[in-house]
Amino acid sequence: AQRVTQPEKLLSVFKGAPVELKCNYSYSGSPELFWYVQYSRQRLQLLLRHISRESIKGFTADLNKGETSFHLKKPFAQEEDSAMYYCALSIYNQGGKLIFGQGTELSVKP
Amino acid sequence: EAQVTQNPRYLITVTGKKLTVTCSQNMNHEYMSWYRQDPGLGLRQIYYSMNVEVTDKGDVPEGYKVSRKEKRNFPLILESPSPNQTSLYFCASSLSSEFSYNEQFFGPGTRLTVL
Repeated sequence: AQRVTQPEKLLSVFKGAPVELKCNYSYSGSPELFWYVQYSRQRLQLLLRHISRESIKGFTADLNKGETSFHLKKPFAQEEDSAMYYCALSIYNQGGKLIFGQGTELSVKP
Repeated sequence: EAQVTQNPRYLITVTGKKLTVTCSQNMNHEYMSWYRQDPGLGLRQIYYSMNVEVTDKGDVPEGYKVSRKEKRNFPLILESPSPNQTSLYFCASSLSSEFSYNEQFFGPGTRLTVL
């Protein structure tokens, strides 16, 4: 079955500390993975996708097919990073359907 | 401004009273989708549409209907709402369903309470 798991509901760190939001997936095909972010009172928006291999707002994520993971990392957290983060898996043969994880709330304290 | 809009943003209703949540996008996107967001469950897809007059069920379609008569609009219809449909609803669109790596653009959400 296709599934995305984010084991942490809440992650709290201090400003300047490294951050890693975990994401594991289950999918028999070739995965297309995304991180979406929802800041307070804003709509859900794309943060990054693995196919782009880019760094956005200092965040990076590497697809590890062996461990079926797509963890989101940032070396130095900022207060403005506080938000809800969702890992999502796109299902190719279902019109790009997204399967979301449960979400992780990141809280960066001053 | 390119965006996805939803109306209403907030709605409180009673069991059995039919309602429609509208969704509109101005980006000429082919693909549109409805999700519901519930605590601890993330977002789950209700219905999606790959183009005009083409719709299909997502993971949790029971109790919902959709239509896609025009490319820009994708309304979500609850014929007889029940309390278990109390949730936060998001509409989303993307350029095409042809490529699974296309970004999906989300609306602001509609918070529905069914009493």
